[in-house]
Formats: sequence, C-alpha cells, structure tokens
Amino acid sequence: GAVVSQHPSRVICKSGTSVKIECRSLDFQATTMFWYRQFPKQSLMLMATSNEGSKATYEQGVEKDKFLINHASLTLSTLTVTSAHPEDSSFYICSARDQQSRIYGYTFGSGTRLTVV
Amino acid sequence: GESVGLHLPTLSVQEGDNSIINCAYSNSASDYFIWYKQESGKGPQFIIDIRSNMDKRQGQRVTVLLNKTVKHLSLQIAATQPGDSAVYFCAENPRGYQKVTFGTGTKLQVIP
Repeated sequence: GAVVSQHPSRVICKSGTSVKIECRSLDFQATTMFWYRQFPKQSLMLMATSNEGSKATYEQGVEKDKFLINHASLTLSTLTVTSAHPEDSSFYICSARDQQSRIYGYTFGSGTRLTVV
Repeated sequence: GESVGLHLPTLSVQEGDNSIINCAYSNSASDYFIWYKQESGKGPQFIIDIRSNMDKRQGQRVTVLLNKTVKHLSLQIAATQPGDSAVYFCAENPRGYQKVTFGTGTKLQVIP
C-alpha cells in the first residue's frame, strides 16, 4: 500500500535556528501533500497544503514566512521551521494521497517530534 | 468555523467487549469521512472510510455508521483487543476540497 516516509523522527534544536523536515511518498506520486501540527493530547491541526511545482496554501493563522514549504518533486515535500522558538515545539506530521489507489483515505507519515531548547 | 468533534474524550472497555466511538460533525458539505487510529508517538493510521451516499460500511472487526440527518458518525470495534488501545480520530473531507479536518479525538483504553 501507499507509504509516506518522514524524516527525521526526532530533532532537538536551539532557539533561533532552522529545522527542515522531509516528507516522501515512497511508492506513489503525490501532487499534493499536507502538513499538520499536533500538540500533546490534542488533535491534528492542518497547517498547509503543499502543491508540487507551486506555492503552498497556508491555513489561517499559520505564518508562511516561518513555516517554509517546498514541494519540488512528485515524491518530496519539505517543511522548514525558521528561527524556531520553544513554542514551535510540537509533533509535525505530513500526509499524502495516492490518487491511483482504490482506498481514498490519506496516508500519514510517522511524524517528527521537534523540541526547541 | 465548522468543525468535527467527539462526544467522549476517553473510553475504557473490557477486553473482548465491543467499543463504540462517536463523532459529531457540523459541515453539511462534507461527503467523505475517515476514521484514523493513532498510537503514541506515531502518525495516524487509516482504519476505515465512508462516503455520504452510504450509511454503513464494514471492515475487519470495524464498522462505521453514518447518520447524515443528525450529522453523526460512529466507529464500532468488535471484540476489542489490547492492541486497539490508541487515540481514535474521525476526519472529514468537504466536497470539492482535498484537505481533511480532524475531530478532537477519543482515547480508547482496553482493560485486560
């Protein structure tokens, strides 16, 4: 079935630095990927929709200059958290849908635990 | 804005019993619904989905029921096992949109 790989699984960075998270569709092409953020004991909140070859669409309240998204190929989207601060510490999860699959549901990556110290 | 929500934040079930997890949605434009299971520290895992032209769909040990009249969705797990312990989210996909909106989640605890 469709597999989405996310890397790294955990990252600790110093306040003020930038962190890049990768999301790859391993066995299918994804023209659209999605980035979510999840705080402890809360639901997943959609941050942005990543579109291959074009600009990402950000949800209301999400700073596009802080959360840079690049979707340069049909199998890779990256999320860069720029000038990270402790309040950016969260679980970041990407998802994609295999449009060739008879299963319509979206496949999720395993998530990235970001800790900003 | 419109959202998807759940009635019960935590559900404790005896091993072997059936579990029912409920979800209320408010976006009448949604025509596709998905249930996900999320284990601690992992991404959501697809369980089962249903389109709005159906009111019931069955999978392996799971059944999803959709009541469009009252905008209610439920997930039934038969013969609940310890491995079913996780947080369960319902999610909706509004017609014409690709994005998926998640509900607040229900933590299922299976008592051995």
